[in-house]
Amino acid sequence: GAVVSQHPSRVICKSGTSVKIECRSLDFQATTMFWYRQFPKQSLMLMATSNEGSKATYEQGVEKDKFLINHASLTLSTLTVTSAHPEDSSFYICSAGGQKNTEAFFGQGTRLTVV
Amino acid sequence: AQTVTQSQPEMSVQEAETVTLSCTYDTSENNYYLFWYKQPPSRQMILVIRQEAYKQQNATENRFSVNFQKAAKSFSLKISDSQLGDTAMYFCAFMKHGNEKLTFGTGTRLTIIP
Repeated sequence: GAVVSQHPSRVICKSGTSVKIECRSLDFQATTMFWYRQFPKQSLMLMATSNEGSKATYEQGVEKDKFLINHASLTLSTLTVTSAHPEDSSFYICSAGGQKNTEAFFGQGTRLTVV
Repeated sequence: AQTVTQSQPEMSVQEAETVTLSCTYDTSENNYYLFWYKQPPSRQMILVIRQEAYKQQNATENRFSVNFQKAAKSFSLKISDSQLGDTAMYFCAFMKHGNEKLTFGTGTRLTIIP
């Protein structure tokens, strides 16, 4: 299957700072990637769809200015949490479809803690 | 919009026994995929099994099999000869054909008891 790599796996930041999370497709090109958020003991909720070369599509209730998404190449999407607050602490995970577009491949996830 | 429902928040079973996890979904789409993902404590999402909606035959992967009832919009996962390593959260997920965006159920926490 296709490989998706996400970095960092864990990050702790101070309140008010920004944090960037990278999602890379290692062995395939991904015109579309997806960013999910998972609170403890809850399911994965889609935040946004990252589109290569164009603006991301955000789900209802997700703040565009707070969660900046950039998909500048066919193998890299980044999620930047701006002016992070403790309530942004969560597990963020990305996914991308393979060439057949019949399943999603996930990154390892990023545990963000804002102190 | 699609919805996925998992009605069993937690389940436990003795090692080597068989367990079935339930999942129902709602959609107006005709061409789609259904998945079961396993999420161990590491939180890495691991694909367990995939079912293509246009295929009537139930998918099987070693000890894992599904009972796909398209008319009833039901997609249950059966784990045979359960092992300690099967302990994890299990998520049922829906994907529309041509779009890798997933809609997840709320998950079932499965514990295999030694």
